[in-house]
Amino acid sequence: DIQMTQSPSTLSASVGDRVTITCRASQSIHKWLAWYQQKSGKAPKLLIYEASTLEGGVPSRFSGSGSGTEFTLTISSLQPDDFATYYCQQYTRYWTFGQGTKVEIK
Amino acid sequence: QVQLVESGGGVVQPGRSLRLSCLASGFIFSNAPMNWVRQAPGKGLEWVAVISYDGSNQYYADSVKGRFTISRDNSKSILYLQMNSLRAEDTAVYYCARKHFDDYFDYWGQGTLVTVSS
Repeated sequence: DIQMTQSPSTLSASVGDRVTITCRASQSIHKWLAWYQQKSGKAPKLLIYEASTLEGGVPSRFSGSGSGTEFTLTISSLQPDDFATYYCQQYTRYWTFGQGTKVEIK
Repeated sequence: QVQLVESGGGVVQPGRSLRLSCLASGFIFSNAPMNWVRQAPGKGLEWVAVISYDGSNQYYADSVKGRFTISRDNSKSILYLQMNSLRAEDTAVYYCARKHFDDYFDYWGQGTLVTVSS
């Protein structure tokens, strides 16, 4: 099984901050990585697929990078609507999620 | 617009069964592979099962293999999850999610809560 590890688990930040979340895969997943945002009590929402392609309607302050085993999600200027939990997901072989990164208000 | 609406959750005793449903609309259901994903209270996301567009192939997470069955009725645009021999650790919100052609999940339902407790 492919394991996905996110860091940090929790991130405290202020509006306007640049935020970076890291996701590592236990083996190469090439570029087959997605990022989701989940707000409390809501379903996950797709943000990015193929490691760096922004889903339609997602603000451009979100960006993704990486390939192989190391990936990052960056929010260039954190907005009030961005406080949520973020998950990475590999889809090379079946599907595995990272444990999540909660972005909270500092 | 794409809508996925789950139903069928509730409180069930360990060892009993429950069937979840996911009603799809806003897209051609019979063209789309579909998944179930669950989230235990306060925990992360766990993929549970996938079914091909025509129902001919199904794959399961090891944690549910042999106990859960995913199926679909394309004439009614409904996805199902039959859950047997339920355990306390199956307690979770269960989401249905559409699989994009490129394998990630592009649309999710709002989820239905299953609580396994005596």
